[in-house]
Amino acid sequence: GDSVTQMEGPVTLSEEAFLTINCTYTATGYPSLFWYVQYPGEGLQLLLKATKADDKGSNKGFEATYRKETTSFHLEKGSVQVSDSAVYFCALSLKAAGNKLTFGGGTRVLVKP
Amino acid sequence: DAGVTQSPTHLIKTRGQQVTLRCSPKSGHDTVSWYQQALGQGPQFIFQYYEEEERQRGNFPDRFSGHQFPNYSSELNVNALLLGDSALYLCASSLEAGTAGANVLTFGAGSRLTVL
Repeated sequence: GDSVTQMEGPVTLSEEAFLTINCTYTATGYPSLFWYVQYPGEGLQLLLKATKADDKGSNKGFEATYRKETTSFHLEKGSVQVSDSAVYFCALSLKAAGNKLTFGGGTRVLVKP
Repeated sequence: DAGVTQSPTHLIKTRGQQVTLRCSPKSGHDTVSWYQQALGQGPQFIFQYYEEEERQRGNFPDRFSGHQFPNYSSELNVNALLLGDSALYLCASSLEAGTAGANVLTFGAGSRLTVL
């Protein structure tokens, strides 16, 4: 079945450090890929998405590139802030599956001042 | 423009009881999905509703049921609660599958259920 694997956390960084969260996927079709962020006590917010190979999603300084050859969608940010502390989820959806989301287990990121 | 609203935000039940959670979708959205997020894990798909019918279902027992109303709002019902049902229940709304932008889900803040 379809699945998403992302690096386990927690990831602890200092402010202005570079952040990478690895994400790989397995899918029977050609999925759309997403990164969602969950701040403490809140629901999920869409951070960025990509719908086809080599697309780059970007938002709020975060970027991720859809790599079909490596089935990956790694999240990066060049300079993190304390406000980026959250749990990040990689997810995929398939149009043929009604666009239901399949999530990875989440990566907790803690940015210290 | 209100996003997805869920109620209640928190609730505590005991084993064997029944619970109903409610969701109002984002304005303009007609499809509602429910997800269960256990502590420290990623959300798991429960089911999706469109045109008042369950369109697809994840790997959850029949104790989990739902409903969608003509105004697109939805309810999630869980019967015979187990300790393992303790989780954050997330509602997400979207446009009908096949519509441009249908793959973008908007999530509510969730209902946190604790089963004692």
